[in-house]
Amino acid sequence: ETGVTQTPRHLVMGMTNKKSLKCEQHLGHNAMYWYKQSAKKPLELMFVYNFKEQTENNSVPSRFSPECPNSSHLFLHLHTLQPEDSALYLCASSQEGEAWKPTGELFFGEGSRLTVL
Amino acid sequence: GQNIDQPTEMTATEGAIVQINCTYQTSGFNGLFWYQQHAGEAPTFLSYNVLDGLEEKGRFSSFLSRSKGYSYLLLKELQMKDSASYLCAVRNSNYQLIWGAGTKLIIKP
Repeated sequence: ETGVTQTPRHLVMGMTNKKSLKCEQHLGHNAMYWYKQSAKKPLELMFVYNFKEQTENNSVPSRFSPECPNSSHLFLHLHTLQPEDSALYLCASSQEGEAWKPTGELFFGEGSRLTVL
Repeated sequence: GQNIDQPTEMTATEGAIVQINCTYQTSGFNGLFWYQQHAGEAPTFLSYNVLDGLEEKGRFSSFLSRSKGYSYLLLKELQMKDSASYLCAVRNSNYQLIWGAGTKLIIKP
């Protein structure tokens, strides 16, 4: 496989369920990201991992919990979500310099479409 | 605050030329990106501008004016497959990416 792959592509869950989104990148990049994409809104950055360390958490509710076990894999654990969390969740990766001055372009997965009932 | 403005939707005719504008107000500037996103697919990188001027890449060109906080994406010889959303994003002085809401481009035969 090449690029950035996300599973599942579609997920429907109740407000009391626990589920996880998975992302895997095959590009040898050292930075990975979770974004939320809602209709007609700008992409919202949720979490950033650089060299497996979380470097950014944009005030995301605790019902979203990221995990980055290595530089190729990224998870987003979901628990007791709300209907307003329904959106497309995009994973991305990039190759950034050691000084953590990101300049490279992002490579996105096709996203996981989440519906919370 | 920081924001990126781009039109919500545009319509153009196959074979024609279309220009998608993007204006930005950010805390500093470290480059501007354009991405293309087809419905149900991943955004894909189109272009990167960090200096003023025009960058040409085949049928697509991107222009930047840092003094005006302005960029445009120019698509020539439009094809039906160019129907997509086009996302403008600016990297600010803290190296954060600020995104526009995207412009949905509809191509008609």
